[in-house]
Amino acid sequence: DAGVTQSPTHLIKTRGQQVTLRCSPKSGHDTVSWYQQALGQGPQFIFQYYEEEERQRGNFPDRFSGHQFPNYSSELNVNALLLGDSALYLCASSFVTDSGANVLTFGAGSRLTVL
Amino acid sequence: DAKTTQPNSMESNEEEPVHLPCNHSTISGTDYIHWYRQLPSQGPEYVIHGLTSNVNNRMASLAIAEDRKSSTLILHRATLRDAAVYYCILRFGTSYDKVIFGPGTSLSVIP
Repeated sequence: DAGVTQSPTHLIKTRGQQVTLRCSPKSGHDTVSWYQQALGQGPQFIFQYYEEEERQRGNFPDRFSGHQFPNYSSELNVNALLLGDSALYLCASSFVTDSGANVLTFGAGSRLTVL
Repeated sequence: DAKTTQPNSMESNEEEPVHLPCNHSTISGTDYIHWYRQLPSQGPEYVIHGLTSNVNNRMASLAIAEDRKSSTLILHRATLRDAAVYYCILRFGTSYDKVIFGPGTSLSVIP
């Protein structure tokens, strides 16, 4: 059973460009969350998608947007890239329950470098 | 958002037990305590979780204080592969709530 798959693994962009990162959730999972992790820091929550809608959002500007497809896969888009957007972008999937017991499964991340 | 506090770093000798503490004094009755760890150059991975009772699995044990305001992740015999950043987080009553990570505890294992 494949876990969470993210692509690309590494990419380099220049300031002002746009980037799209992709995530395929673990089989059976219907919820996808995205995190940004700067070097030496813990992951910072960007947003969460369920039923193709953004359900929760962290403290990130509108330059960060996302999408979830009917097959539960997801994309993270970042426009007008800044040097500070350089980070590891993590995707985590889970399934919806009414309990806080459900576990997050993370991908290995996409390493974005903005020059 | 309920927060957790952990020591920034800890050291352990190989094959000795490790106790990683976490304080969560604002925890509410329906919050689950989760632990994840992140090995170098990898995404975080689930370790263990619990609500009120102590929990054991093949990776670790979780000891939860009676008042639930603190917990301890126990690695029974540290190996070099256990060197990682360990995150203690709280998950709210539904899975819709965002999960907040702190800086975690960086565990070094000395051979």
